[in-house]
Amino acid sequence: DTEVTQTPKHLVMGMTNKKSLKCEQHMGHRAMYWYKQKAKKPPELMFVYSYEKLSINESVPSRFSPECPNSSLLNLHLHALQPEDSALYLCASSQDWANWGLAKNIQYFGAGTRLSVL
Amino acid sequence: GESVGLHLPTLSVQEGDNSIINCAYSNSASDYFIWYKQESGKGPQFIIDIRSNMDKRQGQRVTVLLNKTVKHLSLQIAATQPGDSAVYFCAENTGKLIFGQGTTLQVKP
Repeated sequence: DTEVTQTPKHLVMGMTNKKSLKCEQHMGHRAMYWYKQKAKKPPELMFVYSYEKLSINESVPSRFSPECPNSSLLNLHLHALQPEDSALYLCASSQDWANWGLAKNIQYFGAGTRLSVL
Repeated sequence: GESVGLHLPTLSVQEGDNSIINCAYSNSASDYFIWYKQESGKGPQFIIDIRSNMDKRQGQRVTVLLNKTVKHLSLQIAATQPGDSAVYFCAENTGKLIFGQGTTLQVKP
């Protein structure tokens, strides 16, 4: 089983709203990731969590706030977004990030949340 | 800086033919590459990976070739089927995935 589940599948929000994206995996993976994907572009890394601690923040604006409550869950809290933040937000998980060079560290992706900011 | 690129944004092939999708990279120290397939409305799906100590790796109907001399890798899909229609990304795994721009594979019936 290599399933990463993301909810909701679609989200429409106004610029003053607060919303959250959720991601869940039950593969025992200890690394989880958030990516942003614009139309016809490759995914771009936003955040990496390793063993429930934030390891990488790719200079993402503070209106995006990640949270990793436990090893199976990853949230992305959204506040005061801009229309240009409209995109597909993808969650991924892998066995281990800290030892990525040693492990067969394949990232498995969820189907994403399609976000529209009005 | 690091970069991973694909040669063609779109590839159109006849059903049953073989497909070859190319990718170039710039960092000669790159060690680990992954190919992903992304169908419309879905997230990227792992296809096959290869490390720099290998030149070739085969999976079910897919083969990845790595030429470290010219910093080039390719994904070959045998007997292409309509279900193979998708965007294909090569990615360098440095702990972070660095994706190429993607090639859209269109399969003509």
